[in-house]
Amino acid sequence: DAGVIQSPRHEVTEMGQEVTLRCKPISGHNSLFWYRQTMMRGLELLIYFNNNVPIDDSGMPEDRFSAKMPNASFSTLKIQPSEPRDSAVYFCASSLETGWDEKLFFGSGTQLSVL
Amino acid sequence: AQSVTQPDIHITVSEGASLELRCNYSYGATPYLFWYVQSPGQGLQLLLKYFSGDTLVQGIKGFEAEFKRSQSSFNLRKPSVHWSDAAEYFCAVGPTGGFKTIFGAGTRLFVKA
Repeated sequence: DAGVIQSPRHEVTEMGQEVTLRCKPISGHNSLFWYRQTMMRGLELLIYFNNNVPIDDSGMPEDRFSAKMPNASFSTLKIQPSEPRDSAVYFCASSLETGWDEKLFFGSGTQLSVL
Repeated sequence: AQSVTQPDIHITVSEGASLELRCNYSYGATPYLFWYVQSPGQGLQLLLKYFSGDTLVQGIKGFEAEFKRSQSSFNLRKPSVHWSDAAEYFCAVGPTGGFKTIFGAGTRLFVKA
């Protein structure tokens, strides 16, 4: 299996622009997570899906952020409009959801820079 | 509220020396505990996990961790560090409702020759 695939690896954009991050989870995994990592705040859970349904989006910082999972093999995280403080590494992770101790498989992340 | 504390922001050890990374958790029920490692430019990779049973768990790459309920700790250890172990290490606890896993702030490990 290719693992969790994220694109793009790097994104540089200007303030006010729309940014879309993409994620392909591991085939067969039922849960998908979006995390944001910054030096100041560490690793924060933004939202997670179970069977394509958003379960908890309480970590989404504000309405500028939205996430979708139209099918089991694809998810997007969109920021519109983007701001410099959104600069971070965004990780997507998936899991099998077969048990409470199920581990997370992480993608390599998208490094976002908003100028 | 559930939380994970990694007291050390960074640690430097000499190659070949032993390593212990500290992790303390706050959790109302029986915790599921994890250690992940993140190499530069990469996502997190699971090193080991504890659910129940033997409180000393073995993981990949020669790492082990010991669960101590009385101290609410889950410290990561390695008897002899290799230069390739230089990375950031995250302790995590879950689930905290649904499938949410809470991560500590991470400890960055530097290995000197």
